[in-house]
Amino acid sequence: EPEVTQTPSHQVTQMGQEVILRCVPISNHLYFYWYRQILGQKVEFLVSFYNNEISEKSEIFDDQFSVERPDGSNFTLKIRSTKLEDSAMYFCASSEDRDDEKLFFGSGTQLSVL
Amino acid sequence: SQKIEQNSEALNIQEGKTATLTCNYTNYSPAYLQWYRQDPGRGPVFLLLIRENEKEKRKERLKVTFDTTLKQSLFHITASQPADSATYLCALDLGSSASKIIFGSGTRLSIRP
Repeated sequence: EPEVTQTPSHQVTQMGQEVILRCVPISNHLYFYWYRQILGQKVEFLVSFYNNEISEKSEIFDDQFSVERPDGSNFTLKIRSTKLEDSAMYFCASSEDRDDEKLFFGSGTQLSVL
Repeated sequence: SQKIEQNSEALNIQEGKTATLTCNYTNYSPAYLQWYRQDPGRGPVFLLLIRENEKEKRKERLKVTFDTTLKQSLFHITASQPADSATYLCALDLGSSASKIIFGSGTRLSIRP
């Protein structure tokens, strides 16, 4: 069964450093998403992406965050200057279309900012 | 502002009984509502989607109802098993012209043998 893959599974970084989290969505999917989940808290929406541009973003997704689909398969989330509070599990998801928006999630990247 | 609330943070029931989880929302009229399962350290897994014109949807031991007047969805697991123990999330698309699927805080379900 096709799946969303995320790399790395764990990322440790120093505060102030840039990180790039990588995702390969399911190949025929058109909508892409990033979510984060701080330990013990809810799954929070960050951004949705369609047709090579951001569709919606949350208040969390400030100027420190950016997303890119650099080629036909990868979808990345960049955090320019990490803060301690960025420590969380980051999930990538994709869906086939807007009308039937079942989200398929990757297994996540655990980001630890020290 | 729009809110999604899952009333029970945790639910503990005996194996074989029916688990019923609640999702309420305010200040919104969604076209559909979704339920997901999340195991510790894993991403959510889609279970069911129910549309505003559907009162009930079933899949094996799962049943979802959707009451747009009460602004509430109920999620039932019949003949519950210990393997059903997980956190269950409801989700709504709060986007206007584009997709913005927001999750409730979840209900942690424990099925004891």
